[in-house]
Amino acid sequence: GAVVSQHPSWVICKSGTSVKIECRSLDFQATTMFWYRQFPKQSLMLMATSNEGSKATYEQGVEKDKFLINHASLTLSTLTVTSAHPEDSSFYICSASQQGRAYNEQFFGPGTRLTVL
Amino acid sequence: AQKITQTQPGMFVQEKEAVTLDCTYDTSDQSYGLFWYKQPSSGEMIFLIYQGSYDEQNATEGRYSLNFQKARKSANLVISASQLGDSAMYFCAMREDYSGGSNYKLTFGKGTLLTVNP
Repeated sequence: GAVVSQHPSWVICKSGTSVKIECRSLDFQATTMFWYRQFPKQSLMLMATSNEGSKATYEQGVEKDKFLINHASLTLSTLTVTSAHPEDSSFYICSASQQGRAYNEQFFGPGTRLTVL
Repeated sequence: AQKITQTQPGMFVQEKEAVTLDCTYDTSDQSYGLFWYKQPSSGEMIFLIYQGSYDEQNATEGRYSLNFQKARKSANLVISASQLGDSAMYFCAMREDYSGGSNYKLTFGKGTLLTVNP
């Protein structure tokens, strides 16, 4: 159990366009979802935390108007990169947690590789 | 100050030998959790092992064990009998239960790239 999927697994887009990435918890209800960004050979950096039905909480330095997060249901969160630019090219990973689980563990999706031309 | 420090950017180990990956952490919380993840080149994050701050015994999961020294704030990962498939990035992460808020955010170290030689 505790499977998290992401779609798409990779995307290439032109500069100035918007890209939406979906994160789904397939076999459990995710009370909280997290979005991370990982540049090549670097660590995961938390971008934002979202609870179902609430506005996302963004980490310092992350532009909320550029990275729109919607957590409309207990199984789906979306990250939209608006007006993407080449510097937004990165690996985006989501994770999901369920209140009451052992370790308060986060279950990670497989990631989405975004390339902005 | 960094909350999670992994001082080894890269490590090499011979197949079938044991290897220790270092992790030190910094927190003022009494309640926290420490995780190790493996990230192969495909990018997925694979959970390996967990140690809670109140756990008195070191965690073990198959070939993985965690050498938890609370007073020194270290949580080193030991991989026994290394296999070629163990070659990957390894991340140490900490969950702080109070200062991290009720959402239990994770803070990751910079990672160690482990290469297992045949």
